[in-house]
Amino acid sequence: AQTVTQSQPEMSVQEAETVTLSCTYDTSESDYYLFWYKQPPSRQMILVIRQEAYKQQNATENRFSVNFQKAAKSFSLKISDSQLGDAAMYFCAYRTASGTYKYIFGTGTRLKVLA
Amino acid sequence: DAGITQSPRHKVTETGTPVTLRCHQTENHRYMYWYRQDPGHGLRLIHYSYGVKDTDKGEVSDGYSVSRSKTEDFLLTLESATSSQTSVYFCAISESRDRVNEQYFGPGTRLTVT
Repeated sequence: AQTVTQSQPEMSVQEAETVTLSCTYDTSESDYYLFWYKQPPSRQMILVIRQEAYKQQNATENRFSVNFQKAAKSFSLKISDSQLGDAAMYFCAYRTASGTYKYIFGTGTRLKVLA
Repeated sequence: DAGITQSPRHKVTETGTPVTLRCHQTENHRYMYWYRQDPGHGLRLIHYSYGVKDTDKGEVSDGYSVSRSKTEDFLLTLESATSSQTSVYFCAISESRDRVNEQYFGPGTRLTVT
């Protein structure tokens, strides 16, 4: 069975600095999708970025980028120029490209941004 | 924002009572999901649906049942609520029209079982 692990329960970053959140996963599949979701205090889940496993190029969305290492089964999120509004819970998620459409989430990393 | 609503948004109930949470979507998406979110556990899948009347269990399905009689509605029922079911419940939807199928989430329902 697939698993997703976020080993950092909490992280802190100074405003305007860069922070990297870690995510590792375990799967025997070769084709799958990976996601980072943000959950601010409002509780609303917001998609931050997504990566298709068959693409070697790392995804980027403005200040957010990923370091996707398929062989190492690692999918880290880098936030550049951190802003106070980036403070939230961040969840890594996995979905296989075939079969069921079930998503598997990590336990989350709480990011604090210090002014 | 994807058109997903959950009702009620908050509920307090007593142990042993039945509870039904409703998820309604206006996106005509095929897949619908119910998750629970608890500190230290992230989001855990309770049940999901891959079409009208087609449902399957997730990793924490004990004590929960679901029904989907229409594309737009997915109901989660706690037949006899227990204190361990106190949680925040999220509904989500997704579609398979393209290769990268992100999920869209509802606003969540906070359920307290006393």
